[in-house]
Amino acid sequence: LAKTTQPISMDSYEGQEVNITCSHNNIATNDYITWYQQFPSQGPRFIIQGYKTKVTNEVASLFIPADRKSSTLSLPRVSLSDTAVYYCLVGDNYGQNFVFGPGTRLSVLP
Amino acid sequence: ETGVTQTPRHLVMGMTNKKSLKCEQHLGHNAMYWYKQSAKKPLELMFVYSLEERVENNSVPSRFSPECPNSSHLFLHLHTLQPEDSALYLCASSQDSGGDAPLHFGNGTRLTVT
Repeated sequence: LAKTTQPISMDSYEGQEVNITCSHNNIATNDYITWYQQFPSQGPRFIIQGYKTKVTNEVASLFIPADRKSSTLSLPRVSLSDTAVYYCLVGDNYGQNFVFGPGTRLSVLP
Repeated sequence: ETGVTQTPRHLVMGMTNKKSLKCEQHLGHNAMYWYKQSAKKPLELMFVYSLEERVENNSVPSRFSPECPNSSHLFLHLHTLQPEDSALYLCASSQDSGGDAPLHFGNGTRLTVT
């Protein structure tokens, strides 16, 4: 079973900031939090990874509170091409690291 | 160029056929994975290889047989499949199999079993 819970779907408009929150109440001390993006008929693509506090790269930011029981992926100024499914994963032992949940289907509207 | 290349991109096979899916990674990674993605379902982890040894097999039917001859190549041999095996089969690699090693996916093989 996936160790994370995310909203099934979200809608947004072009130019808006989108925040997708993931709950991982049972996150372990050594677990990292990783987000992926998937377009139809393609493999998921790594977006960002973090352990605590805030991480930022050229495409997104990841906010992790001190208790690490949740995390928020922030996409600034989304465009139509950001319409995709976004997955949140947390690390664990062999084979448990990479259990995908249903993800969040983001629809960006014009 | 994703760094992980899967062939073929599309495959149609009958239930009595034998075929193989191929995956090659050009990233120098030590771990490779097979995932299955059926319509409107989450990705299902099938097999994990680390340094060419299988470390995880999530109760996959024996009609799916993986092979990892070296750290750059991964195969999935298919035989006597069922129509419900039709899905997108994704290969991935990572530096190692730890939780802090991001996965790099190929674009998959779309398999249709008739």
